[in-house]
Amino acid sequence: GENVEQHPSTLSVQEGDSAVIKCTYSDSASNYFPWYKQELGKRPQLIIDIRSNVGEKKDQRIAVTLNKTAKHFSLHITETQPEDSAVYFCAASNDYKLSFGAGTTVTVRA
Amino acid sequence: GAVVSQHPSRVICKSGTSVKIECRSLDFQATTMFWYRQFPKQSLMLMATSNEGSKATYEQGVEKDKFLINHASLTLSTLTVTSAHPEDSSFYICSARAGTGGQPQHFGDGTRLSIL
Repeated sequence: GENVEQHPSTLSVQEGDSAVIKCTYSDSASNYFPWYKQELGKRPQLIIDIRSNVGEKKDQRIAVTLNKTAKHFSLHITETQPEDSAVYFCAASNDYKLSFGAGTTVTVRA
Repeated sequence: GAVVSQHPSRVICKSGTSVKIECRSLDFQATTMFWYRQFPKQSLMLMATSNEGSKATYEQGVEKDKFLINHASLTLSTLTVTSAHPEDSSFYICSARAGTGGQPQHFGDGTRLSIL
């Protein structure tokens, strides 16, 4: 089955700096890669996603890149703000189910 | 759009009780619904996948007689934890998806289950 690895497990950044989270996947058949943000005790919220026919996607301060050859994808958050503090999960899907990474706890220092 | 409602949000009950959790897609038809379990500071662990009108597909290691899943309509799935014990205490989250795997999953608010 699919195996998704996510790094780093924790990330502390100064407000205004950028944050980058990286994920790798194992199943070459995976074709959909969403990112979720989860605040403590709350639901995971989809923040951005990318499909395998696209290399990069941007939505305001958030961007995702995908390298299908290397089987890795990354989340970039620019101009971080305190409200960006949360746990972020990457995931990969092969048309059947999502496989999640272990999560990255992001702390934005004011 | 894409709102998923999950109830109850919190359950505290005695060991041996069966607990039912409901998951509803409010503004779309969910071809597939998923049930996850999440331990503190850990990732989401898929328990089972259900398609409307079909038997659920359980992940390896998940007891289907312990965790009963029903997906009676395109907007409602239920998870029943039968004869719950303290080790079943956890955060259970459902998600719903319209269409195929290339579509986003939308999550409910989760149910925190505490078995005394």
